[in-house]
Amino acid sequence: QVQLRESGPGLVKPSQTLSLTCTVSGDAITRNSHYWSWIRKPAGKGLEWIGRVYTSGNSNYNPSLKSRVTMSIDTSRNQFSLKLSSVTASDTAVYFCARDRGPYCTPTGCHADDALDVWGQGTTVIVSS
Amino acid sequence: EIQMTQSPSSLSASVGDRVTISCRASQGISNYLAWYQQKPGKVPKLLIYLASTLQSGVPSRFSASGSGTDFTLTISSLQTEDVATYYCQKYDSAPFTFGPGTNVDIK
Repeated sequence: QVQLRESGPGLVKPSQTLSLTCTVSGDAITRNSHYWSWIRKPAGKGLEWIGRVYTSGNSNYNPSLKSRVTMSIDTSRNQFSLKLSSVTASDTAVYFCARDRGPYCTPTGCHADDALDVWGQGTTVIVSS
Repeated sequence: EIQMTQSPSSLSASVGDRVTISCRASQGISNYLAWYQQKPGKVPKLLIYLASTLQSGVPSRFSASGSGTDFTLTISSLQTEDVATYYCQKYDSAPFTFGPGTNVDIK
């Protein structure tokens, strides 16, 4: 059974870059054409989709964060990563990595199902000097 | 960019009550909608995908419907363990925006 685990510094100074890694275990990150996503939840607020990355390196980002976000994937380590630059206190949140359900096929063809069915436990990142 | 809204923002109901949560997209998203449950301090859990398909292992008291712009999540008989925040999420095309959430608790 596939499992995800986030890792990275729990404290980042304002204006610096937040860097997190998600390690995938129980299956190869290249298997079954999944996209790999990052989501965050600030305290007292709702879930915010940050973006996603594919094994080819193709990625999609939230327009509100796009200028500061970079996602990458390391298939040799079975990991994917998030970098968020120029952080401020508003970037303080619990950060989750997640995997989508992957492709499904019907008589009319195969389609992507991007609902997020596997999540990491989350890691708290505080932005403070 | 498509916006997602949910109503109500919070509700309080008795054990055994039927509970309905609405989610609306500002433009049509076909059936590319998911529902998640997040209990305090816990990881979000996928309940429903493709607008109406129950994720494996989710109790059958959860159901959902809708297509286009209007969607509904229903809990047929509310249980104490259903106290949580429920989020819808569109995924027809990026960005995969979440709704603001609906807090459900027991009266």
